[in-house]
Amino acid sequence: ETGVTQSPTHLIKTRGQQVTLRCSSQSGHNTVSWYQQALGQGPQFIFQYYREEENGRGNFPPRFSGLQFPNYSSELNVNALELDDSALYLCASSFAWPSGRYEQYFGPGTRLTVT
Amino acid sequence: GDSVTQMEGPVTLSEEAFLTINCTYTATGYPSLFWYVQYPGEGLQLLLKATKADDKGSNKGFEATYRKETTSFHLEKGSVQVSDSAVYFCALRKRDDKIIFGKGTRLHILP
Repeated sequence: ETGVTQSPTHLIKTRGQQVTLRCSSQSGHNTVSWYQQALGQGPQFIFQYYREEENGRGNFPPRFSGLQFPNYSSELNVNALELDDSALYLCASSFAWPSGRYEQYFGPGTRLTVT
Repeated sequence: GDSVTQMEGPVTLSEEAFLTINCTYTATGYPSLFWYVQYPGEGLQLLLKATKADDKGSNKGFEATYRKETTSFHLEKGSVQVSDSAVYFCALRKRDDKIIFGKGTRLHILP
């Protein structure tokens, strides 16, 4: 059974550019959540996708957007990058159903540096 | 709003010492509580969890008890090892499935 994987591992972008981060969920999982972890801080919830639809969003601006595909993998897109977007981006997958959910399993993260 | 507060680090202990990392939370309703661990250069691993009041989560010698009356979920281990050096995050999750994390506590264990 393959765990949660993320790509790329590291990324360096320039302010104003756009970036796409990818996440492959664990086998059998239908839900993906994205978190931003700034240096020295705890992860902050960005949004969650359940069965290809956004299912909750944290306090992040619209330039943070996402997608979930039929195979339940997911992308996080960030437009107009700012220096403060430099962080570790974590993806977590889980299995959920309308009345409940199992634990979220985290991937290793993508380290984004904006210069 | 909902939040998690944990003791600031770094915490430095000698091997075989007793460990306590304090965690308190603010939340409406009945959240599930978690401790996650992050080793250098890695993502988050679930260490233990508790889903209701008075539950005790345990794993790898670590324990934490869900105390609703004091809104606390302190992490303890009786005898730490060098391999326990990592950052530890206390967290809560409510029915909306969003996980709210504390800022993390860095633990250094000296041989």
